[in-house]
Amino acid sequence: GQSLEQPSEVTAVEGAIVQINCTYQTSGFYGLSWYQQHDGGAPTFLSYNALDGLEETGRFSSFLSRSDSYGYLLLQELQMKDSASYFCAVSHDPDNYGQNFVFGPGTRLSVLP
Amino acid sequence: DAGITQSPRHKVTETGTPVTLRCHQTENHRYMYWYRQDPGHGLRLIHYSYGVKDTDKGEVSDGYSVSRSKTEDFLLTLESATSSQTSVYFCAISEGWTGGNEQYFGPGTRLTVT
Repeated sequence: GQSLEQPSEVTAVEGAIVQINCTYQTSGFYGLSWYQQHDGGAPTFLSYNALDGLEETGRFSSFLSRSDSYGYLLLQELQMKDSASYFCAVSHDPDNYGQNFVFGPGTRLSVLP
Repeated sequence: DAGITQSPRHKVTETGTPVTLRCHQTENHRYMYWYRQDPGHGLRLIHYSYGVKDTDKGEVSDGYSVSRSKTEDFLLTLESATSSQTSVYFCAISEGWTGGNEQYFGPGTRLTVT
């Protein structure tokens, strides 16, 4: 089967750095994405990793280790507006697994003043 | 923001009734998706489409059907709604195959089945 695990909640203070981990077990892994969702809103795309290593986009960075089936999202210089839920999501080899796109259960980040 | 709308935004219906949710896009993207979101489960893929009249099942397709007769519209139908289908439903679109292409999500439809 397929499964993704994330911590359910993370709390940090403004200006700090926080790391949200994601581990996955799946067949036909192709890449790992991260999405942000504010309460009552729609998910929005943050980043995507298909290769091992770190991808940086402003204050956000995402890391992938395919051999460890592990990735993380790193948020730097936390701001109050970063309080939201963060989801990792796995995409699969389309030739053998179609468009099956699986989201993790999400991590709720609370940023305190 | 990507041009993607969902209708209705809220709906309350009774068990056993049919329900159709509509997703409309103005981006001319090839791929369209329907997800449901429930506490503790993240988003789960119901069905997706990779072109007009081309659809396939996702992770939780039982009890749902879809149709796509035009590029811009993707309909999700609950043939006979059940209380377990109470959820928030999101439509998403992507220009290309999901692996390297971000998905843009609509605002969601909150469906309550009583």
